Amino acid sequence: AQSVTQLDSHVSVSEGTPVLLRCNYSSSYSPSLFWYVQHPNKGLQLLLKYTSAATLVKGINGFEAEFKKSETSFHLTKPSAHMSDAAEYFCVVSEDNAGNMLTFGGGTRLMVKP
Amino acid sequence: EAEVAQSPRYKITEKSQAVAFWCDPISGHATLYWYRQILGQGPELLVQFQDESVVDDSQLPKDRFSAERLKGVDSTLKIQPAELGDSAMYLCASSTRLAGQETQYFGPGTRLLVL
Repeated sequence: AQSVTQLDSHVSVSEGTPVLLRCNYSSSYSPSLFWYVQHPNKGLQLLLKYTSAATLVKGINGFEAEFKKSETSFHLTKPSAHMSDAAEYFCVVSEDNAGNMLTFGGGTRLMVKP
Repeated sequence: EAEVAQSPRYKITEKSQAVAFWCDPISGHATLYWYRQILGQGPELLVQFQDESVVDDSQLPKDRFSAERLKGVDSTLKIQPAELGDSAMYLCASSTRLAGQETQYFGPGTRLLVL
């Protein structure tokens, strides 16, 4: 069985400072991992995905995530936060390599202070 | 850029009433998903279609929920009768396979409030 734990329900940063959103996963197989972002009243947008290629994955809007198998982690980072980054972020795992059966974490709400 | 369309965006209903949500996936996407997202939680899969066939509806409360995708394109999710606990965001997603990998693209969702 697969599961995802997002370690922080809320993260607050100042504009221009680095962002770190933490995610740990549990999977019986080699998983595919995703980060999605959800702005208020909007659908989920794919930020990036890891599918057993390079362990450092670059996504949209300057975000990147590093897959660390030994730590079963897939933390999301960004060097410099922007006000528009304020949103809910979901770490997602899929065990079937095809990306069908998604299991979502509980979400991390990112707040960006001016 | 093509998007998944959902309507209505918001729905308020009284318990015991029937509600229906509609989803139009990205053109050419064979796989369609319905998720329920309770406030403060991540989405949970309700049902998955491959073309017009149900692939997985193990998490769909079949006593009150039904879903169909008759022509393998757009889809309808129905709740009858609605209960207070059904208040949530209902998300539709579609996907297609490229190089053996699928990526799910989500619509804006329908926010349901049951009074």
